[in-house]
Amino acid sequence: DGGITQSPKYLFRKEGQNVTLSCEQNLNHDAMYWYRQDPGQGLRLIYYSQIVNDFQKGDIAEGYSVSREKKESFPLTVTSAQKNPTAFYLCASSSQTSGSSSYEQYFGPGTRLTVT
Amino acid sequence: GQNIDQPTEMTATEGAIVQINCTYQTSGFNGLFWYQQHAGEAPTFLSYNVLDGLEEKGRFSSFLSRSKGYSYLLLKELQMKDSASYLCAVRDLDYKLSFGAGTTVTVRA
Repeated sequence: DGGITQSPKYLFRKEGQNVTLSCEQNLNHDAMYWYRQDPGQGLRLIYYSQIVNDFQKGDIAEGYSVSREKKESFPLTVTSAQKNPTAFYLCASSSQTSGSSSYEQYFGPGTRLTVT
Repeated sequence: GQNIDQPTEMTATEGAIVQINCTYQTSGFNGLFWYQQHAGEAPTFLSYNVLDGLEEKGRFSSFLSRSKGYSYLLLKELQMKDSASYLCAVRDLDYKLSFGAGTTVTVRA
């Protein structure tokens, strides 16, 4: 089955600790994205990567870091510098060579992070 | 950047029709998407518009007017399972999406 996996589904951390959220896709997509979703707000882009070994900051990158060493994987680290890290984190991927002009993003199931 | 507005909540009766409006202001337009998201789950793709006009997909249709910065999602023959949040998203020239806050649709029996 092709898709995007994120683990774990729920994650609890103490304030001051860094935590890494995993995102893996076997769709052979070039582009991958990390979003954060808070109640009553739309998805906000944290980081994105259009190709291996390259990534760009999104609208709210402060306090986060990413790497893209493999096409299939795009882990997100929430650092202790992120002031309000409790949120629902969604990873997505898209193809830019599918032959379809839509290139819609496919989302993983999300990780709900709670920091206390 | 993008500024995207959609209503916060809508309620309708099973079997009815509901229209969710989305207005946007953009610095570079490269398509508009509608996603459905059930509580606690991932968004799933519903529709895509890049040219003006209506796109129909079964019970769901989406309309776009680029000159007015306006789109709507039309849900027909509402079913209880359609109770969800509907997200309007605009894509820019770098293929990044900007999302509205979402419209929560509640379908009543």
